[in-house]
Amino acid sequence: LAKTTQPISMDSYEGQEVNITCSHNNIATNDYITWYQQFPSQGPRFIIQGYKTKVTNEVASLFIPADRKSSTLSLPRVSLSDTAVYYCLVGLFNNAGNMLTFGGGTRLMVKP
Amino acid sequence: DTGVSQDPRHKITKRGQNVTFRCDPISEHNRLYWYRQTLGQGPEFLTYFQNEAQLEKSRLLSDRFSAERPKGSFSTLEIQRTEQGDSAMYLCASSKHRQVNTGELFFGEGSRLTVL
Repeated sequence: LAKTTQPISMDSYEGQEVNITCSHNNIATNDYITWYQQFPSQGPRFIIQGYKTKVTNEVASLFIPADRKSSTLSLPRVSLSDTAVYYCLVGLFNNAGNMLTFGGGTRLMVKP
Repeated sequence: DTGVSQDPRHKITKRGQNVTFRCDPISEHNRLYWYRQTLGQGPEFLTYFQNEAQLEKSRLLSDRFSAERPKGSFSTLEIQRTEQGDSAMYLCASSKHRQVNTGELFFGEGSRLTVL
């Protein structure tokens, strides 16, 4: 199973761009990279997913270098409501049952 | 609301009692997962179903834990003879099985268990 390493916590201010990097050195060829956001007392919520290069949606961008051993979640112009824990997941479910593994996540604190 | 729903949201019980949690997945999703999350930690995988078949169980799922999905729709997670270490948030998620499963899971709000 591909394991991930993220910073434990990050601080930012409203209006700034936040970049959270995740390392996944043993990512497998078929693994996708998925990011989730979790608020206290709620289940994780899917943010964005990618396989290689760059993916952008209305919430965030995901940058994946050619070697795919890391990925960076970019949140443009954060607000107080973006204060949450962000998880990077690497993995793929297949018929053999490989599981997605959540790491400890990155606790983002957005200050006014 | 057509998301994943879990019941109860909160459960307080005494050590040694049995508890059962229910999860209703998104209706067209044939995969259902159970995770456990303790304070300050990421969710830990417990088990998952494809339709009614339980395909994988984590070693975290001791003999006191049992999960079912009898008709491939809702699922239950039962914990027998609860211990204080079982106190956690129990999360259910669902997804639609595809040729390539990329890991987009839809989570419920969780069931918080407190064992006194």
